[in-house]
Amino acid sequence: QVQLQESGPGLVKPSETLSLTCSISGGSISTYYWSWLRQAPGVGLEWIGYVYYTGSTNYNPSLKSRVTISVDTSKNQFSLMLSSVTAADTAVYFCAREANMGDSDWFDPWGQGTLVIVSS
Amino acid sequence: AIQMTQSPSSLSASVGDRVTITCRASQGIRNDLGWYQQKPGKAPKLLIYGASNLQSGVPSRFSGSGSGTDFTLTISSLQPEDFATYYCLQDYTYPYTFGQGTQLEIK
Repeated sequence: QVQLQESGPGLVKPSETLSLTCSISGGSISTYYWSWLRQAPGVGLEWIGYVYYTGSTNYNPSLKSRVTISVDTSKNQFSLMLSSVTAADTAVYFCAREANMGDSDWFDPWGQGTLVIVSS
Repeated sequence: AIQMTQSPSSLSASVGDRVTITCRASQGIRNDLGWYQQKPGKAPKLLIYGASNLQSGVPSRFSGSGSGTDFTLTISSLQPEDFATYYCLQDYTYPYTFGQGTQLEIK
């Protein structure tokens, strides 16, 4: 079955750019939408944005000015870049596949998540 | 963005209890709602999509209902492995938004 795995630095300095990659195994990145989500410590879940395998994207307006999500179909991967990070961006970052049936969408499967701490 | 409000925020219950968690949307979202279970240190797991459709492999003691603005997740007979945090998610319109979570604890 499809499995997702996040990778990237666990520590990022304030004002720098957070970069993460999600590697997909057991299936192709073609078709489906692929999302990034995050969960700050003790806080709920937040959808960051998605990329379609064609490269089209959609971002959460709360982060839109700082987010770039891209896809590399040759590597079966997609990536997140979040610029000008602050301590408020410290969170566990998840990648997930957005599946759908009719009008219903859902996130499944998810990666295991990776903790990114913003600190000098 | 659509606001999703869950209640209660925490709940203590015993094995075998019937439990209901509610989720209210700030505007109508048809039946575009999912429920997720999250255990500590793990990613959320999809339980229900389309308000009432059980994801494959999820035990039948889980059920969902509702439409418009008010939704419920019911666990008919709590099992030890069900103690976790539960989140609703509206997929009616972007940005998709989650409820704040309901932490289900052992009494």
